Amino acid sequence: AQKITQTQPGMFVQEKEAVTLDCTYDTSDQSYGLFWYKQPSSGEMIFLIYQGSYDEQNATEGRYSLNFQKARKSANLVISASQLGDSAMYFCAMREGYSGYALNFGKGTSLLVTP
Amino acid sequence: KAGVTQTPRYLIKTRGQQVTLSCSPISGHRSVSWYQQTPGQGLQFLFEYFSETQRNKGNFPGRFSGRQFSNSRSEMNVSTLELGDSALYLCASSLGRGFPQPVSYEQYFGPGTRLTVT
Repeated sequence: AQKITQTQPGMFVQEKEAVTLDCTYDTSDQSYGLFWYKQPSSGEMIFLIYQGSYDEQNATEGRYSLNFQKARKSANLVISASQLGDSAMYFCAMREGYSGYALNFGKGTSLLVTP
Repeated sequence: KAGVTQTPRYLIKTRGQQVTLSCSPISGHRSVSWYQQTPGQGLQFLFEYFSETQRNKGNFPGRFSGRQFSNSRSEMNVSTLELGDSALYLCASSLGRGFPQPVSYEQYFGPGTRLTVT
């Protein structure tokens, strides 16, 4: 079963606007971590933001924030004030319990920022 | 501090051959994980090494193997290559610690090795 679902294959946003990338997850573990990565066309995965299952506050890192709704099992990424350099693939990922470092990734969302 | 390096960056091999990919983690990091990325299957976990021991393995056939050296550098090997092995292979490093370990550890990814099997 898919553990991470990203339902938006592609998104467009105008420069300086905010955009929300959706992510829902499936786990029965109480302890898990949710990550968002950015992958530009160069291929390297860049860590953006992390949210732990026990964290009560939504995570924020600069222009990135994570809208964490535990009961709905969603962890949406919000990018504020989009920039042209934000155009890339965005992946939501989850690591469960004390199982090691394996990350389960979603299929990704391709974001295109237009002038 | 230097990031994760992977060599080679690009590779073309013929079906049936074998290939070895290399990953040098960030200095001081003891854990190395490998992922395969394809358009069809997305990003899939291959295996993770910590202090020269494989701790975790994904659902891949035995043709995929790896090892880690005492300096934390890691190699992965794919034998008897198939067309479906064409992918971007990503290596990620973390500080690492023994079990149990929390879920919050961040992994730093390398630029990947793009393997094409013809």
